[in-house]
Amino acid sequence: GENVEQHPSTLSVQEGDSAVIKCTYSDSASNYFPWYKQELGKRPQLIIDIRSNVGEKKDQRIAVTLNKTAKHFSLHITETQPEDSAVYFCAVGPNTGNQFYFGTGTSLTVIP
Amino acid sequence: DGGITQSPKYLFRKEGQNVTLSCEQNLNHDAMYWYRQDPGQGLRLIYYSQIVNDFQKGDIAEGYSVSREKKESFPLTVTSAQKNPTAFYLCASSIFGGGDQPQHFGDGTRLSIL
Repeated sequence: GENVEQHPSTLSVQEGDSAVIKCTYSDSASNYFPWYKQELGKRPQLIIDIRSNVGEKKDQRIAVTLNKTAKHFSLHITETQPEDSAVYFCAVGPNTGNQFYFGTGTSLTVIP
Repeated sequence: DGGITQSPKYLFRKEGQNVTLSCEQNLNHDAMYWYRQDPGQGLRLIYYSQIVNDFQKGDIAEGYSVSREKKESFPLTVTSAQKNPTAFYLCASSIFGGGDQPQHFGDGTRLSIL
């Protein structure tokens, strides 16, 4: 199956700074790349996703970039706020098959 | 994502006991999934179902069983054969199966051993 690696596992930034989380994957045929935010004890919530025919997607302070050649994609959060503090998971959806493969998560802390 | 309801929120299992976690969705989604989440790990797939009366094993299906008798419901049974069941269990659904559709999650059930 797919092998997804996510870095860093923990990240602390000052409020207002940017945060970047990176995921790499192994199957070049994978074509769907969502990012989820999970606050403590709550459900993961989809915050942004990108498909393989697009290199970048932006939604207000959140953006995702995809490099298919290098098989990695990244989540960018600008102007971070304390409410951005959470665990962020990347996932990879393969071209065939029915399951996502998740990264191990990044715990982001935004320091006021 | 208020359309996916998991119950109970907390569950305790005694030695040798089977327990069932409930997952109901009113999103009219065809596909449903069960994940296990352990500290410091990503979500791992237990079972998934693309349509009623059909389900497939995920990566860690041993010690678990499911049924899909109705489109809205996908209960998970943690059997006594699962020796380390303590974890946070998440149910999800997507409009249809396949690896290119967003999945929407319930609030989870936290299972502990008594």
